[in-house]
Amino acid sequence: GAVVSQHPSWVICKSGTSVKIECRSLDFQATTMFWYRQFPKQSLMLMATSNEGSKATYEQGVEKDKFLINHASLTLSTLTVTSAHPEDSSFYICSARDPGGGMAYEQYFGPGTRLTVT
Amino acid sequence: QQQVKQSPQSLIVQKGGISIINCAYENTAFDYFPWYQQFPGKGPALLIAIRPDVSEKKEGRFTISFNKSAKQFSLHIMDSQPGDSATYFCAAGRWEKLTFGTGTRLTIIP
Repeated sequence: GAVVSQHPSWVICKSGTSVKIECRSLDFQATTMFWYRQFPKQSLMLMATSNEGSKATYEQGVEKDKFLINHASLTLSTLTVTSAHPEDSSFYICSARDPGGGMAYEQYFGPGTRLTVT
Repeated sequence: QQQVKQSPQSLIVQKGGISIINCAYENTAFDYFPWYQQFPGKGPALLIAIRPDVSEKKEGRFTISFNKSAKQFSLHIMDSQPGDSATYFCAAGRWEKLTFGTGTRLTIIP
């Protein structure tokens, strides 16, 4: 149980274009999903928290107009990188909180999406 | 202070040995401490987690030791196997947010 999927697993786009990444909880309903960014050999940095049916909460320093997050249903959240530039190239990982999880805070991560902007 | 400090940065352990990774935190408001395992190109996988009202939790070969007064917690991997070679992250949670440590690259050698 507690499986989270992401699509696509990797994407290459040209500078100035927009890219959408999907995050789905497959076997549970996630009222809260999270988006992280990870640079090579570095830790995970929380970008934003999204709650179903409401606006996402962005961490300090994350441009909300650049990283658009939509949590339209209890099983789907999307991250759109708008007007992507090479510095946006990174590994983007989503997670979902299982409200039925034993410790309440348990987050289950997707497999990640590798974005390369040329 | 939201930082979580993790050490060592890298660790090499012989097969069958015990791998120990340590983390320290400052914010006493943290109330959830998970450990994640990450393989290259994959998302982190939850290994084991603990609440601060418990000093130790064991699941299979993985044990978390928690020292509330010292604001430290550690992961012990018993009988380490080559398949355990991965990057391990500790994290500390408050409300729904997790703050991650910097990661430890563990290599198990035959």
